[in-house]
Amino acid sequence: SQTIHQWPATLVQPVGSPLSLECTVEGTSNPNLYWYRQAAGRGLQLLFYSVGIGQISSEVPQNLSASRPQDRQFILSSKKLLLSDSGFYLCAWTSGRVGYNEQFFGPGTRLTVL
Amino acid sequence: DAKTTQPNSMESNEEEPVHLPCNHSTISGTDYIHWYRQLPSQGPEYVIHGLTSNVNNRMASLAIAEDRKSSTLILHRATLRDAAVYYCILRGTGGTSYGKLTFGQGTILTVHP
Repeated sequence: SQTIHQWPATLVQPVGSPLSLECTVEGTSNPNLYWYRQAAGRGLQLLFYSVGIGQISSEVPQNLSASRPQDRQFILSSKKLLLSDSGFYLCAWTSGRVGYNEQFFGPGTRLTVL
Repeated sequence: DAKTTQPNSMESNEEEPVHLPCNHSTISGTDYIHWYRQLPSQGPEYVIHGLTSNVNNRMASLAIAEDRKSSTLILHRATLRDAAVYYCILRGTGGTSYGKLTFGQGTILTVHP
């Protein structure tokens, strides 16, 4: 069966510090991978998605970046965190591009920037 | 992406049916209607999806209007564990959609014991 892992679960970082969040998927190959952020409130915002190794698409301009060094590994990074980067970060995966496949979400990382 | 409109909140009593509406008047012919829910401090969870016909699974039923401009998620017997934010999302199948999900604000469902 497929599983998705994210770490760390929680993180408190000072403004201006770097960030690295990791997401890995097990039990599937060549997944589409996604990073979402959920700020205070309810909506989730798609930040990045990847359809293959080294292929990253950004949805919104920001000071974050993403990388996919391996097929089932997705990393979210920042060189200098801003207060506005605080939020709940979720990684997700789905198989293929078709619209009927469900998307599976990880447990999330709660980031607080002070 | 086509947008969806949902009520901000709804309330239900335990063991009663719940009908969560969603309007999507600009839906395209290839958009699938997906429903996800998010419990507090957790990632969203897939509930159900459909294209044109009504769908049933172990979690819920999805009733899709004949013109596809609206749909209703039906929880047949609400439990306290169903209290969550429910998102209605249109998911495209076009070559550039890449399975992306565009989340709105969703409907906060409160279930009373």
